[in-house]
Amino acid sequence: QVQLQESGPGLVKPSETLSLTCTVSDYSITNDYFWGWIRQSPGEGLEWIGTVYHTGTAYYNPSLKSRVTISIDTSKNQFFLNLNFVTAADTAVYYCAREASRRSGNFDYWGQGTLVTVSS
Amino acid sequence: QSALTQPASVSGSPGQSITISCTGTSSDVGGYNYVTWYQQHPGKVPKVMIYDVSKRPSGVSNRFSGSKSGNTASLTISGLQAEDEADYYCCSYTSSSSYVFGIGTKVTVL
Repeated sequence: QVQLQESGPGLVKPSETLSLTCTVSDYSITNDYFWGWIRQSPGEGLEWIGTVYHTGTAYYNPSLKSRVTISIDTSKNQFFLNLNFVTAADTAVYYCAREASRRSGNFDYWGQGTLVTVSS
Repeated sequence: QSALTQPASVSGSPGQSITISCTGTSSDVGGYNYVTWYQQHPGKVPKVMIYDVSKRPSGVSNRFSGSKSGNTASLTISGLQAEDEADYYCCSYTSSSSYVFGIGTKVTVL
């Protein structure tokens, strides 16, 4: 059973960088799957942020691309999200998830999510 | 990219069938057979109910089915049950090599 767990600061100041880690357990991230970040603003819908493959190749939401970097560390079985120049609009629950296959949009395993609030 | 269009709410009585629509463009829903439907109960993590337009993951009830016509995908729930009350989101692959979600539909079981 694949397990994912997000970790990182719950509070980030405006204009600073939001950094989150997703630790994957009971499954090697070098297997043939993709790994993604999705967020959900309070009371709102889901928004795909981006996806990374174990080779380091990443795909991003065009609306966030200028501020986002997703990376991966196969030795630690972790992948990471960095979102620069955050504003209050970036306040959301951030989920990491496994993507069953590229292009499918089928995120079959999810972390529990972590709430990140952007506030001074 | 704009969010896919879904009705804000759909309701039905137990045992009835309901259909949730998800409308996009030829650059997303209409252009690919990559539409996924998620169910999300309050405070819970989204769960895949349908992927690749009409495929059902192991363990998902066969009361859930998916289809697509042109730029609109649909999720049908037959034999509506109280446990089906939740938010439902569609998600499509796009021509920008990205994904776009729908705005979400709240399903109420009367």
